[in-house]
Amino acid sequence: GNSVTQMEGPVTLSEEAFLTINCTYTATGYPSLFWYVQYPGEGLQLLLKATKADDKGSNKGFEATYRKETTSFHLEKGSVQVSDSAVYFCALSGGYDTGTASKLTFGTGTRLQVTL
Amino acid sequence: AAGVIQSPRHLIKEKRETATLKCYPIPRHDTVYWYQQGPGQDPQFLISFYEKMQSDKGSIPDRFSAQQFSDYHSELNMSSLELGDSALYFCASSHGWGRRGTGELFFGEGSRLTVL
Repeated sequence: GNSVTQMEGPVTLSEEAFLTINCTYTATGYPSLFWYVQYPGEGLQLLLKATKADDKGSNKGFEATYRKETTSFHLEKGSVQVSDSAVYFCALSGGYDTGTASKLTFGTGTRLQVTL
Repeated sequence: AAGVIQSPRHLIKEKRETATLKCYPIPRHDTVYWYQQGPGQDPQFLISFYEKMQSDKGSIPDRFSAQQFSDYHSELNMSSLELGDSALYFCASSHGWGRRGTGELFFGEGSRLTVL
């Protein structure tokens, strides 16, 4: 079945540092890949997505590229801010070719703490 | 823009009691998903509905049931509550399912259930 593996946290960075959160996946067919962010006490918000190989999702300075050859979707940001402190979840949904439901399978989440 | 609405936001129950959570999807979204997120855990898929029919089932206990109504809102019913049911319950909605889906889920802010 589908699974997502992401680096364990917490990740602690100083403001303006470079961020990478690794995510790899196992899936049949051609899944869509997502990064969701959860701020303290809030729900899950879609940060970015990519629906096919070599697509790059980007939003709010965050980027991730769908790499089918390495089954990866690493999240990067060039300069983090204190306001980026949150838990980041990598997720996938069954690709359209598999005909599976659009339910998401999540990784375990990576907590990011950005300090001044 | 209208988002996914969940109620109640917070709920406190005793062991062996019953609880009902409600979810109102984004207008014109026909698919609803329920997820359970324990403390420090990733969201676990419980169940989903497409056009009022169950479309997929995950790790939902037999003590739980859910349905989607004609106006597309959904209710999650939990009986014989146990301490381990204490969690954040998310509802998400999307337009379409499987090959007809957009592959993107929109989450509500969650209902926090505490079982004492």
